[in-house]
Amino acid sequence: ETGVTQTPRHLVMGMTNKKSLKCEQHLGHNAMYWYKQSAKKPLELMFVYSLEERVENNSVPSRFSPECPNSSHLFLHLHTLQPEDSALYLCASSQDLLPMNQPQHFGDGTRLSIL
Amino acid sequence: DQQVKQNSPSLSVQEGRISILNCDYTNSMFDYFLWYKKYPAEGPTFLISISSIKDKNEDGRFTVFLNKSAKHLSLHIVPSQPGDSAVYFCAASSSRSSSNTGKLIFGQGTTLQVKP
Repeated sequence: ETGVTQTPRHLVMGMTNKKSLKCEQHLGHNAMYWYKQSAKKPLELMFVYSLEERVENNSVPSRFSPECPNSSHLFLHLHTLQPEDSALYLCASSQDLLPMNQPQHFGDGTRLSIL
Repeated sequence: DQQVKQNSPSLSVQEGRISILNCDYTNSMFDYFLWYKKYPAEGPTFLISISSIKDKNEDGRFTVFLNKSAKHLSLHIVPSQPGDSAVYFCAASSSRSSSNTGKLIFGQGTTLQVKP
C-alpha cells in the first residue's frame, strides 16, 4: 500500500469544466510536489510545497491552481484546461525539501483526459 | 535541453543475467542521483540512490555506479528476475542550486523486459 494516495485515478473532463485532483500522504512528510507526465516525455515538476508554503512554481499556466491546506493534503484545481493538458498527474512527498538521502515517494497518479 | 538522458528506450534481458541501465547527465551541479521503477498504472517507486561523494551504492540485487568525470550513472540488477520488468527512471538533483527546492530532474525512462 502506497503512503501517498491520489484521487481520482481517472478523470475525463471538458475544456469548460472545473475539477480538482486530491493527494494525501500518510508518511508525516513536510514537502509535497505535483508532477506532470505527458506521453513519451520525462516527468515535469509543476509545484513544490514545504510546510504548506509554495516554494516553486515551475512556469505552470494559471489554469492549474495548487492548494496545500495542511502538510498531509495537496490539491490541484483545474479550470478551462486544453487538450494538451491530458497527461498523468503525479503527487509526491518527501520528509523535507532537501533531497539528500530523502527520496520522493509517489502516488499512483491521476490519468486526466481533456475532451 | 534535457539535463538527464536515458538513451536506451528499452532493454531485454534473460532471467538470471545482469541488467545494466544507463543514464547520462549534463549539469555538473547535480550531486544526488536516484533510480525509480514504475509498473503500469502505478506511480514511480524509489529503488536506490547515490550521492556524489560516492561512486557505488549497493542494495541487495541493485547496485548504482556513478562516474562523475563522465557524468554517467548506471544501475545494475543481478540476477535479473521477471518481476523486475518495468520502466526505470533515473533522476538527479542539486543541493547547491540557487533555489534549493529539492527539484528532481528525470530522464525519459528505459523499459526493461526480463524474459523467463
